[in-house]
Amino acid sequence: RKEVEQDPGPFNVPEGATVAFNCTYSNSASQSFFWYRQDCRKEPKLLMSVYSSGNEDGRFTAQLNRASQYISLLIRDSKLSDSATYLCVVNMFAGGFKTIFGAGTRLFVKA
Amino acid sequence: ETGVTQTPRHLVMGMTNKKSLKCEQHLGHNAMYWYKQSAKKPLELMFVYSLEERVENNSVPSRFSPECPNSSHLFLHLHTLQPEDSALYLCASSQGRAGGPDTQYFGPGTRLTVL
Repeated sequence: RKEVEQDPGPFNVPEGATVAFNCTYSNSASQSFFWYRQDCRKEPKLLMSVYSSGNEDGRFTAQLNRASQYISLLIRDSKLSDSATYLCVVNMFAGGFKTIFGAGTRLFVKA
Repeated sequence: ETGVTQTPRHLVMGMTNKKSLKCEQHLGHNAMYWYKQSAKKPLELMFVYSLEERVENNSVPSRFSPECPNSSHLFLHLHTLQPEDSALYLCASSQGRAGGPDTQYFGPGTRLTVL
């Protein structure tokens, strides 16, 4: 089993739609969680950190469920500019430092 | 955005060449990282430096050799690479100790092609 797994993509949605991505992690020693966004041929950029209490930033909402070991990202009112790959990232310290990136979920928002 | 810069942006090299990738962070961060991103694969963490000390080396072949002369600069020295080493090499930095809750900020990457 992969340490971090994401929804298979691509997701093709119309503008204005709500779309949700899930990410599961296997190591209970995981400590911090992030969603990054990566545009084609560009570097990953932080979208938001994910906290146990959940956090919201405009149209984006992230949730962490430690009991079930998953995090989620909800995008409301999708824009064309939201088209990108969304990466789930987990930091853990288990006998050494590890940052594990998910394979990413590709999102296409169409007019 | 120029928080983390990388040079060169593109590099083509033969298998017998020696080259170096350079990363510089202007954010006053304490930890720096090298990642490899191959097509259709997740980012793979290669090396981590925290306060100029290497704290992680994820079983990377010895043909990749990192160097961190100070907290702002990170190099990746390349020697006798293989075609399968062709990938995007990303540098990142973070404020606190490696592995902590701090966000990693990425440079634009060096796209490496090994012929």
